[in-house]
Amino acid sequence: AQSVTQLGSHVSVSEGALVLLRCNYSSSVPPYLFWYVQYPNQGLQLLLKYTTGATLVKGINGFEAEFKKSETSFHLTKPSAHMSDAAEYFCAVSDRFGNEKLTFGTGTRLTIIP
Amino acid sequence: NAGVTQTPKFRVLKTGQSMTLLCAQDMNHEYMYWYRQDPGMGLRLIHYSVGEGTTAKGEVPDGYNVSRLKKQNFLLGLESAAPSQTSVYFCASSFKAGRDIQYFGAGTRLSVL
Repeated sequence: AQSVTQLGSHVSVSEGALVLLRCNYSSSVPPYLFWYVQYPNQGLQLLLKYTTGATLVKGINGFEAEFKKSETSFHLTKPSAHMSDAAEYFCAVSDRFGNEKLTFGTGTRLTIIP
Repeated sequence: NAGVTQTPKFRVLKTGQSMTLLCAQDMNHEYMYWYRQDPGMGLRLIHYSVGEGTTAKGEVPDGYNVSRLKKQNFLLGLESAAPSQTSVYFCASSFKAGRDIQYFGAGTRLSVL
């Protein structure tokens, strides 16, 4: 079964600083990879996803993530944090072959320090 | 566009009571999902459906039942609520599985006393 590990349940960065949220997956066959964001009292919405092709994926609100097969990682970055980025971020994976289910990591809460 | 709509938004139950959560989507999606979100545990799949009239168990199905009588609706039932079912429940839908995006509702916050 797939598993997803997000290192750091809470991350704090200063406004304008680099945001780095870490995600590692367990499968030997690279899965489909997703980052979702959850703003307070809202549902989740997609930030970006990797299915195939270019390993650097750009998403909404200036976020991007890079798929690294050798490291089984899909870390999320943003060069300059904004106050509006404060939210909880979830990494998720889905098998490429026949599994309908999405497996989520435990989430990272991002706090932006003014 | 409404997207995915969940009702109710909040509910308080006493132990042993029953209730049904309704999820409706207007995107003609085949797949629908029910998740629960608990602190430090991310989202865990309760049940899902790959089309009208079908349902399947997810990771944490015990104590819940579901029905998908119409393509646009996916109902989650609690027959005898327990305090361990206090959680935030999210419904999601997608056109297909795997690489497709899941669209989420705003959630239902349930407390079982």
